Amino acid sequence: DAGITQSPRHKVTETGTPVTLRCHQTENHRYMYWYRQDPGHGLRLIHYSYGVKDTDKGEVSDGYSVSRSKTEDFLLTLESATSSQTSVYFCATQPAGGPPETQYFGPGTRLLVL
Amino acid sequence: DAKTTQPNSMESNEEEPVHLPCNHSTISGTDYIHWYRQLPSQGPEYVIHGLTSNVNNRMASLAIAEDRKSSTLILHRATLRDAAVYYCILRSNFGNEKLTFGTGTRLTIIP
Repeated sequence: DAGITQSPRHKVTETGTPVTLRCHQTENHRYMYWYRQDPGHGLRLIHYSYGVKDTDKGEVSDGYSVSRSKTEDFLLTLESATSSQTSVYFCATQPAGGPPETQYFGPGTRLLVL
Repeated sequence: DAKTTQPNSMESNEEEPVHLPCNHSTISGTDYIHWYRQLPSQGPEYVIHGLTSNVNNRMASLAIAEDRKSSTLILHRATLRDAAVYYCILRSNFGNEKLTFGTGTRLTIIP
């Protein structure tokens, strides 16, 4: 397993509060991803990164921003949390080499926005 | 991305083989077929992938139809630990690094 950790693992926050979730990897994988998972949906891609300071939007990026200043860290920020952002957030990494490469997922962060 | 169709749920008895089907009638020649699974309260994990030929690894086998419009993930001897949601995903070989998850098949193993 790729060494992927996510912090915090659980968070409760209030509407309008900024929230930052951290994904840390020890495998020096080039690509990193943030997904969210909600009941009735599979995982949906929020943002992804091709490398340091190289990020792009996924299918559900509204209300989220990301930063990647180091290979090992990918931060997801909810600028002003809303109840619709209550979800389980998964980070994933992938080594360079093309789409057949495996993605490795972290354990997830459960976020509750009240 | 081409779409996949999977049954919402399946049940199987413990220690018996399980065949999880996936239809992907609009698959293109450059699409790889990937399978991931998600155990309860965990992130997804890779199971297997293939392009044209059948594939085997320590976890499972992947049988790909000759026309590539369908595939089947085979768990040879299901255990309780195999209870999970299984996702069949197509990934293009060109410039698309993203995984597009559907809702998958929820596999229940009966002791």
